[in-house]
Amino acid sequence: AQSVTQLDSHVSVSEGTPVLLRCNYSSSYSPSLFWYVQHPNKGLQLLLKYTSAATLVKGINGFEAEFKKSETSFHLTKPSAHMSDAAEYFCVVSVNFNKFYFGSGTKLNVKP
Amino acid sequence: DTAVSQTPKYLVTQMGNDKSIKCEQNLGHDTMYWYKQDSKKFLKIMFSYNNKELIINETVPNRFSPKSPDKAHLNLHINSLELGDSAVYFCASSLTGRVDQETQYFGPGTRLLVL
Repeated sequence: AQSVTQLDSHVSVSEGTPVLLRCNYSSSYSPSLFWYVQHPNKGLQLLLKYTSAATLVKGINGFEAEFKKSETSFHLTKPSAHMSDAAEYFCVVSVNFNKFYFGSGTKLNVKP
Repeated sequence: DTAVSQTPKYLVTQMGNDKSIKCEQNLGHDTMYWYKQDSKKFLKIMFSYNNKELIINETVPNRFSPKSPDKAHLNLHINSLELGDSAVYFCASSLTGRVDQETQYFGPGTRLLVL
């Protein structure tokens, strides 16, 4: 069975400090993995994706994620949080061309 | 230019009514999707269409019926609305429907409140 788990429903950081949003997956196959961001009252926007190329993936707005097969993880990081990063973040796993699963989301709060 | 647009943005209606939500994309994509996001932000795929053909049809009540008049449009019709249908509904599109490779582009959402 395939699934995706976002380990934290809420993360709070201070502006200028690092961000870590955790995502673990389970899959019998080599997965593709995505991170999407949803700002308040907006639709989702792709941050980055892993589709079996380089395991360290760089995305927009300074975010990056590393695919670690041994740990079945795809954690999202950013060295320095900005107030505009406050949003809901979704990890998505896909195992074939038309099957995908969204995580339950992590709400990132950035304190001034 | 808005890539994926939805109308209306807000929809407040009474239980038992029938309503439609419209979605249009101007990206030239072949595949479109409908999602439901509940109050806890959980996202659930409902349907996807590829070039007017139904591809994904998850377990949703048959009161929900998607209609795709052409590949740029995917509308969602809901019959006999219930309180539990209150949610934000998102439309999305992708180039060919290869969800393991492609980016999905989301609309701004339609906030449905059933009273």
